[in-house]
Amino acid sequence: SQKLEQNSEALNIQEGKTATLTCNYTNYSPAYLQWYRQDPGRGPVFLLLIRENEKEKRKERLKVTFDTTLKQSLFHITASQPADSATYLCALNSGGYQKVTFGIGTKLQVIP
Amino acid sequence: EPEVTQTPSHQVTQMGQEVILRCVPISNHLYFYWYRQILGQKVEFLVSFYNNEISEKSEIFDDQFSVERPDGSNFTLKIRSTKLEDSAMYFCASSENGGEVAGYTFGSGTRLTVV
Repeated sequence: SQKLEQNSEALNIQEGKTATLTCNYTNYSPAYLQWYRQDPGRGPVFLLLIRENEKEKRKERLKVTFDTTLKQSLFHITASQPADSATYLCALNSGGYQKVTFGIGTKLQVIP
Repeated sequence: EPEVTQTPSHQVTQMGQEVILRCVPISNHLYFYWYRQILGQKVEFLVSFYNNEISEKSEIFDDQFSVERPDGSNFTLKIRSTKLEDSAMYFCASSENGGEVAGYTFGSGTRLTVV
């Protein structure tokens, strides 16, 4: 079955810098990959979706890349702010059409 | 902005008891899901529901679990005889088109504690 690997350790960066989070997957390339933000005790919030035929997607300060050769997606937050501190999850459709697998998430801490 | 509503926010139940977790998905969404997250672990898929039937379920979703859409707005998850290991945060989610355009919208979750 499909496995997702995210760096589960916390990532600390200085305010104003660019945060880069990594999501690696095994086996086949999914049709699309999603990124979510999760705050403590809350449900995931959808941020971006990138399809297998797209190299890059942007939304405001967020950018996602998808490299099917490396089996990897990178998630960037530019000009990071303390309010960006949260856990970021990658997710992809795994197996059946409706079953989405989530990674463990990377906890981002932006230090003022 | 439309949101997915879940009730209750917290539920404490005795082992062996039945619980029903309730969700009101976004009104124009057609696909509904339940996920759970044990403390400190990843979000895990339980079941998806479309056109009034289960479209997929995980190995976690055994005979103790069932889902229902009793009317045009509610979507429920029932656990027939709760076990200690069912303690987790349960998230309901919905999507307009299976998640392949705008992902899923999640509710704030129900924290289930089995004692």
